[in-house]
Amino acid sequence: DQQVKQNSPSLSVQEGRISILNCDYTNSMFDYFLWYKKYPAEGPTFLISISSIKDKNEDGRFTVFLNKSAKHLSLHIVPSQPGDSAVYFCAARISGGSNYKLTFGKGTLLTVNP
Amino acid sequence: DGGITQSPKYLFRKEGQNVTLSCEQNLNHDAMYWYRQDPGQGLRLIYYSQIVNDFQKGDIAEGYSVSREKKESFPLTVTSAQKNPTAFYLCASSPTGGTESYEQYFGPGTRLTVT
Repeated sequence: DQQVKQNSPSLSVQEGRISILNCDYTNSMFDYFLWYKKYPAEGPTFLISISSIKDKNEDGRFTVFLNKSAKHLSLHIVPSQPGDSAVYFCAARISGGSNYKLTFGKGTLLTVNP
Repeated sequence: DGGITQSPKYLFRKEGQNVTLSCEQNLNHDAMYWYRQDPGQGLRLIYYSQIVNDFQKGDIAEGYSVSREKKESFPLTVTSAQKNPTAFYLCASSPTGGTESYEQYFGPGTRLTVT
């Protein structure tokens, strides 16, 4: 049972336009969400996160939106650059307690065309 | 420079042989994790450890074993019982306690090929 879903395996956008990557989750206990970026043959790097007490978090060109009622979050990249081409993973966690595990989605391959 | 190192980058083994993947961190993190990545499968958790001398199975622990004798080190052994060992293996670590503990830091990965 996949608790974090990224239903779009790939996305292609033009340089300068907006990229929107989507993520859905089924476990209502998740209350902290992270986005990671991964280049081929490298480890993922942390990009941005959001707590369930917020509905938006912004960091430069990257903004994450959270819709708790829909159990949906999205990552917006504006403007998109060719260097943003990578696989993006959505991850979720249940905060509190002593369990620090993250549950990852399967990823979305973003290609930004010059 | 603080970080996570995994060695080697590429590893080749014959079927039936056990192989141990190295993971070392100097971030002073209590928690460490092993994931494998397969095409179209995302990151799947194999084992994790939140303190020295303790570890728990993740979602796909069968055919793998770990040890956590030191805070800095969390080696993963891929045994001959693992039916599909060829994959990209990622090690991660995180602090425990506080909001910063939600972020895991990843190593560069080891590509294991078993023939």
